[in-house]
Amino acid sequence: EIVMTQSPATLSVSPGERATLSCRASQSVSGNLAWYQQKPGQAPRLLIYGASIRATGIPARFSGSGSGTEFTLTISILQSEDFAVYYCQQYNKWPPGGPITFGQGTRLEIK
Amino acid sequence: QVQLVESGGGVVQPGGSLRLSCAASGFTFSTYGVHWVRQAPGKGLEWVAFTRYDGSNKYYAESVKGRFTISRDNSKNTVYLQMNSLRAEDTAVYYCAKDRGYSSSPRYFMDVWGKGTTVTVSS
Repeated sequence: EIVMTQSPATLSVSPGERATLSCRASQSVSGNLAWYQQKPGQAPRLLIYGASIRATGIPARFSGSGSGTEFTLTISILQSEDFAVYYCQQYNKWPPGGPITFGQGTRLEIK
Repeated sequence: QVQLVESGGGVVQPGGSLRLSCAASGFTFSTYGVHWVRQAPGKGLEWVAFTRYDGSNKYYAESVKGRFTISRDNSKNTVYLQMNSLRAEDTAVYYCAKDRGYSSSPRYFMDVWGKGTTVTVSS
């Protein structure tokens, strides 16, 4: 099973500033990496797939980068509605290479 | 609009069974795979199961293999999760989610999610 590790666990940033979230895979997942945003009491929302492709309706301030084992989600100018928990998910070589796995999440909070 | 609505959650004793349903609307349901993903209280996301668009292949997390069964009825636009031999650690919000891929080319990430249904396993 591919283990996804996100850092930091909590990130404190002021509105209007930039936030950078990291996700590391225990083995290469190529570009098969998605990012989700989850607000309290809500379902996750797809932000990025293919490591860098924004999903439909996602603002341009969200961007993804990376390949192999190291990935980054950047939010360029934080808005109040961006404070949430963010998860990465790998979907490489599956099936049957192994199950879909998520990172443990990064909580983005207002500084 | 594209929508998924889960139902069937509740409180069940350890060792008991429950069947969750996920009703889809707003898209051609029979051409997309569907996942179940769960989230224990205060925890992260855990993928549970996946069914291909036609139900021909089904995959499970090791933690539920042999206890949970995913199925679908394309005539009813509904996916099910039959959960048997439930344990306390199965307590979670269960989400169904549409696969981003199409027909015989699933992508294995999720672009539409339901609001979830809560399962509590407790005596």
